[in-house]
Amino acid sequence: QKEVEQDPGPLSVPEGAIVSLNCTYSNSAFQYFMWYRQYSRKGPELLMYTYSSGNKEDGRFTAQVDKSSKYISLFIRDSQPSDSATYLCAMSSFNRDDKIIFGKGTRLHILP
Amino acid sequence: KAGVTQTPRYLIKTRGQQVTLSCSPISGHRSVSWYQQTPGQGLQFLFEYFSETQRNKGNFPGRFSGRQFSNSRSEMNVSTLELGDSALYLCASSSASGSTGELFFGEGSRLTVL
Repeated sequence: QKEVEQDPGPLSVPEGAIVSLNCTYSNSAFQYFMWYRQYSRKGPELLMYTYSSGNKEDGRFTAQVDKSSKYISLFIRDSQPSDSATYLCAMSSFNRDDKIIFGKGTRLHILP
Repeated sequence: KAGVTQTPRYLIKTRGQQVTLSCSPISGHRSVSWYQQTPGQGLQFLFEYFSETQRNKGNFPGRFSGRQFSNSRSEMNVSTLELGDSALYLCASSSASGSTGELFFGEGSRLTVL
């Protein structure tokens, strides 16, 4: 079992729809959870991060962590064509001697 | 503030050759991490350097090596290239070491091995 599992998609949704992206993980030591967005021919950029369990909202984006189920989600409301990108979940134990583990990424297409 | 700069952006090599990739981190950042990205495996951690010391290493063969200079610039080298080494190599800099800081990625060096 991989440490982080993420459905690669592609996921195609119409403009304005709510998008749900998810990852599962196996390492119970993870406590720092991130979502990175990667546009074509670009490097990933940090979109949101959360510590431990709970929700965090930033504009149209909501990140949700359920540590009991080892499951994290990213919701995008009122999706726009400019949201079309690959979304990578990432997580770590938040330790100086540890590394950040990434999911494979989900390709998202928002259809105008 | 200038971002992370990686050179070269694209390169083509043949099996058995070696390659050196360069990364200039954001000014003031002392941590540089390298990742390999492929469609099949996603983003896989190669190694991290902090203040010229390798802090962490991923599960890659010894053909993959790196170093960091006193100005925080980093290079990675792949020797005896194999077809499977074709990938996008991403460098990320951070103000903190390990998994405690935000990673700022460059645009990557796309390596094709023929």
